[in-house]
Amino acid sequence: GENVEQHPSTLSVQEGDSAVIKCTYSDSASNYFPWYKQELGKGPQLIIDIRSNVGEKKDQRIAVTLNKTAKHFSLHITETQPEDSAVYFCAASPNTNAGKSTFGDGTTLTVKP
Amino acid sequence: GAGVSQSPRYKVAKRGQDVALRCDPISGHVSLFWYQQALGQGPEFLTYFQNEAQLDKSGLPSDRFFAERPEGSVSTLKIQRTQQEDSAVYLCASSPPGAGNTIYFGEGSWLTVV
Repeated sequence: GENVEQHPSTLSVQEGDSAVIKCTYSDSASNYFPWYKQELGKGPQLIIDIRSNVGEKKDQRIAVTLNKTAKHFSLHITETQPEDSAVYFCAASPNTNAGKSTFGDGTTLTVKP
Repeated sequence: GAGVSQSPRYKVAKRGQDVALRCDPISGHVSLFWYQQALGQGPEFLTYFQNEAQLDKSGLPSDRFFAERPEGSVSTLKIQRTQQEDSAVYLCASSPPGAGNTIYFGEGSWLTVV
C-alpha cells in the first residue's frame, strides 16, 4: 500500500518568515495530494491540494509543488503569522476518492511573534 | 448544524466495555468516512460509506470494530470489548456528491480505554 513520509516533525519560525514542509510517497499510482491543517481539539481542514497533472498551485500565502518523478511534494507558507501555528498533514491518494488518502505523521508548526 | 457533528466528544471506557460513537454528516453528503488518529500521528482510514452502502472496510483493525449507516445519513462506529490500544481520536468526515475531492472532518471523538 501507499506510504507517506513527512518532514520535519516540528518546525519553528519567526513571524514573517517562510515555512516549508516536505512529503514523499511510494505509490506511483497516487494522483491526488491534499494538505490539511489541524488545530488542537479540532478535525483536519483542507487548506490546499494538487493533482498529478499540475506541478505547482498557489493560493495567497500558501503554495504546493509536486515532483511526480521523484515522488515528493511540498507545502510552502510565506509571510507566516501566529495563527498559522498548527499541525499540518500531507496526504496521498491513488484515486479520486480523497477519503481514502494515506496521511503523513504531521508537522507541528510554531510561528513565534 | 453547519458541520460534521460527532458525539460523544470524550469517552472513557473500561477495558472490555463496548462503545458506540456517532457521526452526523453534513446534510446531503453522500460519502462518509471514519478514521482513527493515534496521538502524534496522522489519521488512518477505517471505513467508507456511500449512502447506506459500506463500500470499503479494509481499514478496520479487527472484527471488534463495526460501522453502520442504515439510512444513509447518521453513522455509528461500534467497538466491542475495548482494549487499551483502541485509545485514539476517531474522526468522521463527509463529502457531497460531485464535490471532487473535498472532504469535511468533524472534531472527533476522543476515546480513552483504561
